[in-house]
Amino acid sequence: DGGITQSPKYLFRKEGQNVTLSCEQNLNHDAMYWYRQDPGQGLRLIYYSQIVNDFQKGDIAEGYSVSREKKESFPLTVTSAQKNPTAFYLCASSSPGGIRNEQFFGPGTRLTVL
Amino acid sequence: DQQVKQNSPSLSVQEGRISILNCDYTNSMFDYFLWYKKYPAEGPTFLISISSIKDKNEDGRFTVFLNKSAKHLSLHIVPSQPGDSAVYFCAAVGNSGNTPLVFGKGTRLSVIA
Repeated sequence: DGGITQSPKYLFRKEGQNVTLSCEQNLNHDAMYWYRQDPGQGLRLIYYSQIVNDFQKGDIAEGYSVSREKKESFPLTVTSAQKNPTAFYLCASSSPGGIRNEQFFGPGTRLTVL
Repeated sequence: DQQVKQNSPSLSVQEGRISILNCDYTNSMFDYFLWYKKYPAEGPTFLISISSIKDKNEDGRFTVFLNKSAKHLSLHIVPSQPGDSAVYFCAAVGNSGNTPLVFGKGTRLSVIA
């Protein structure tokens, strides 16, 4: 079954701790993305990567870091520098071979910082 | 500055009637538009898209209309069903492969039985 996996579904962390959210895809997609969803804010782009070992900041990259060492994986670290980390985080991927720019999304991870 | 705007945060429609969700954009470089549907605590799923060379695209109960001169697009759902109740996001992109989509803030559609 091809798709995008995000784990865990729910994550709780204490304030001041870094936390890494997992995103894996077996769709053989080149590009991967991280979004954050807050109530009434829509989907805001954190980071994206168009190819292995390369990534770019999105609109709200401050307090976040990513890596893209493998095509299948694009983990997101929420650092203690992120002022308001509690949110629903969505990972997506896309390939130029499909419907143009269609992004496939994972099920999301809800992070709650206590 | 929002490049993709969905000015109606919510919409309620009776089952069987037409739902019309609107989206405006400001960036004239956008040439491809997509609609996504999202249920709570799930990832968005692709619904329908339209290229700027067209003014209409239809897929079953879903039709997207594009008015380039007005920089406006709309999603029509006919007939609306209770299972259509979700948040709908409009997204846009310019002519460049694998660049990120720019999303609107979404419209929550409630279809009342």
